[in-house]
Amino acid sequence: RKEVEQDPGPFNVPEGATVAFNCTYSNSASQSFFWYRQDCRKEPKLLMSVYSSGNEDGRFTAQLNRASQYISLLIRDSKLSDSATYLCVVTANAGKSTFGDGTTLTVKP
Amino acid sequence: NAGVMQNPRHLVRRRGQEARLRCSPMKGHSHVYWYRQLPEEGLKFMVYLQKENIIDESGMPKERFSAEFPKEGPSILRIQQVVRGDSAAYFCASSQPSGGGYTFGSGTRLTVV
Repeated sequence: RKEVEQDPGPFNVPEGATVAFNCTYSNSASQSFFWYRQDCRKEPKLLMSVYSSGNEDGRFTAQLNRASQYISLLIRDSKLSDSATYLCVVTANAGKSTFGDGTTLTVKP
Repeated sequence: NAGVMQNPRHLVRRRGQEARLRCSPMKGHSHVYWYRQLPEEGLKFMVYLQKENIIDESGMPKERFSAEFPKEGPSILRIQQVVRGDSAAYFCASSQPSGGGYTFGSGTRLTVV
């Protein structure tokens, strides 16, 4: 079983749609959680951190459920520019992070 | 305040040659990580370094690959006697000691011919 699992997609949605990505992790000792975005196999860029209390940044909302070892990312009012691969990232201890294989999103006009 | 600097951006090597990939972390970042991304695959952890120390090399292939982060200068990922299967994008990232997510460099695309 992979340490971090994501639905690879692809998710194809129209502009304005709401889309949710899920991620599960296997290491219960995991401490820090993030979502990154990768465009066309360029370098990944940090999208947002994920906290147990949930956090929101504009159209993006991230949630963490430690009991279920589950992380989610919700994108509201999708834009064409949201098309990318979204990477779930889990850090078990200070340092090394494990990346999921990513979920591909395509937003269509 | 430059970000993570990697060079070269593209590197072509013939089978059997050596490849050296360089990474300078962001100013103030003392932790460096190397990841490899094979075509059509996700990012795979290779090694985590601090100055003059390898902290975790659990993702490094047992042979031909080595990494260092000297007291002075960039971190180096070295691949000896490259083979076609080494062709990939190699990303370096850095972070502060307190964590908070990585900043990635633009990557080095290695092509072995």
